[in-house]
Amino acid sequence: DADVTQTPRNRITKTGKRIMLECSQTKGHDRMYWYRQDPGLGLQLIYYSFDVKDINKGEISDGYSVSRQAQAKFSLSLESAIPNQTALYFCATSERDRGRGTGELFFGEGSRLTVL
Amino acid sequence: SQQGEEDPQALSIQEGENATMNCSYKTSINNLQWYRQNSGRGLVHLILIRSNEREKHSGRLRVTLDTSKKSSSLLITASRAADTASYFCASDLLTGNQFYFGTGTSLTVIP
Repeated sequence: DADVTQTPRNRITKTGKRIMLECSQTKGHDRMYWYRQDPGLGLQLIYYSFDVKDINKGEISDGYSVSRQAQAKFSLSLESAIPNQTALYFCATSERDRGRGTGELFFGEGSRLTVL
Repeated sequence: SQQGEEDPQALSIQEGENATMNCSYKTSINNLQWYRQNSGRGLVHLILIRSNEREKHSGRLRVTLDTSKKSSSLLITASRAADTASYFCASDLLTGNQFYFGTGTSLTVIP
C-alpha cells in the first residue's frame, strides 16, 4: 500500500459543486501539504499543516479550505468549484529536517480534477 | 508567484551526456531540495542540501548551492533514457515555514 493515498484519483464535476479531496498517510509525519499543479507553473502551495491544530494558508488558498481530521488525514475542499480550479492536486507529508526546517516530502499520486 | 525559477525550461540531450539544471530562489532558506516527476505522477525526492552546505552528491547526481547568489544547480552525469522527466527545485523558507517549488525543467534524454 502507498504511504500517501489520495482519493479520488480522478473527478469530473460541474461549476458550483462542492468537492472534497482526501489524503491519508501511514508515514506518521506531522506535516502535511496540499499543492496544485497546472501545466508550466510547477506546484503551488494551497495549505499546509504542521499538526492537527496548526493549519496555514499557502500562496493560493482563495477558493479552498482544509480540514486536518487526525494526524494521518488532511482533506481539501472546494466549496463552489469553478473551471479555473481544474488542475492536478497533490498531497504530501514530511518530517522536520534535523530539528529545523522541512525534510523530504513524500507525495501521493495526485487527484486530477476537472470542473466543467 | 513562484518562489523559485528553473532554467532551462526544457532540455534535450543524447544518452550518455551530462544534464545541468539551474534554480534560483528569492529569500533565505533552511534547505533546498530537488525532486523528479514522471509525467502526471507524484514527485519523488532526489536530494536535500542545507543552507550551510555547498555541494552534495548522490549516485549520478551532484547538487551545488550558492546562498550568496540564491541559486542551486543539479547535474546528472552519464544520462540515461530513463532520466527523462521533469525536475523541480523546492526551497524551504527560513521564515514562515513554507515550502515552495520552482517552475521545473523538462528533461528529455534521447537514446
